[in-house]
Amino acid sequence: ETGVTQTPRHLVMGMTNKKSLKCEQHLGHNAMYWYKQSAKKPLELMFVYSLEERVENNSVPSRFSPECPNSSHLFLHLHTLQPEDSALYLCASSPMAGPYEQYFGPGTRLTVT
Amino acid sequence: ILNVEQSPQSLHVQEGDSTNFTCSFPSSNFYALHWYRWETAKSPEALFVMTLNGDEKKKGRISATLNTKEGYSYLYIKGSQPEDSATYLCALGSGDYKLSFGAGTTVTVRA
Repeated sequence: ETGVTQTPRHLVMGMTNKKSLKCEQHLGHNAMYWYKQSAKKPLELMFVYSLEERVENNSVPSRFSPECPNSSHLFLHLHTLQPEDSALYLCASSPMAGPYEQYFGPGTRLTVT
Repeated sequence: ILNVEQSPQSLHVQEGDSTNFTCSFPSSNFYALHWYRWETAKSPEALFVMTLNGDEKKKGRISATLNTKEGYSYLYIKGSQPEDSATYLCALGSGDYKLSFGAGTTVTVRA
């Protein structure tokens, strides 16, 4: 498979559930990103990883916990979410961290009930 | 995160007509301006990356211009086709780890 993939594409979870979103990039990039996209709002950067080190945490609540075990994989662990966390979560990668072209996955549509 | 504004929020174009829309951004600490095309249920795809004042880029019927001194970029679609229907995002790169995105302009081309 090529590019950036995300699983699952859709997820419905209750507020007490624990779930994880997965992102995988097949581009040999060294930086990976998590974004949140709510209706009619700009993409909101959540986390940036460079060479498996977190370099940016954009004031994200602790109920979102990222993990980057290697440069090809990125996870977002979800726990005790709120209904307002329902959104599209996009993963992206770039050759290195910075203001460079990013390659996006198709996103996970999350609904918190 | 820097304030990047796109206008209009949405527009409807008749097939065959040309259209354009705007991305405005703070001109200080500029590094690059990106345009992405995002079709429904697909991944955002990069169209252009522009770094120099006066840059003009073209891909098929779509082109973009950049004015870093006054802080704006235009995206033009010439002879719109139904497959041009998408949300067009601009993003400002300003020298740190981030791209600051606008909310997008959603283009609907009517046959």
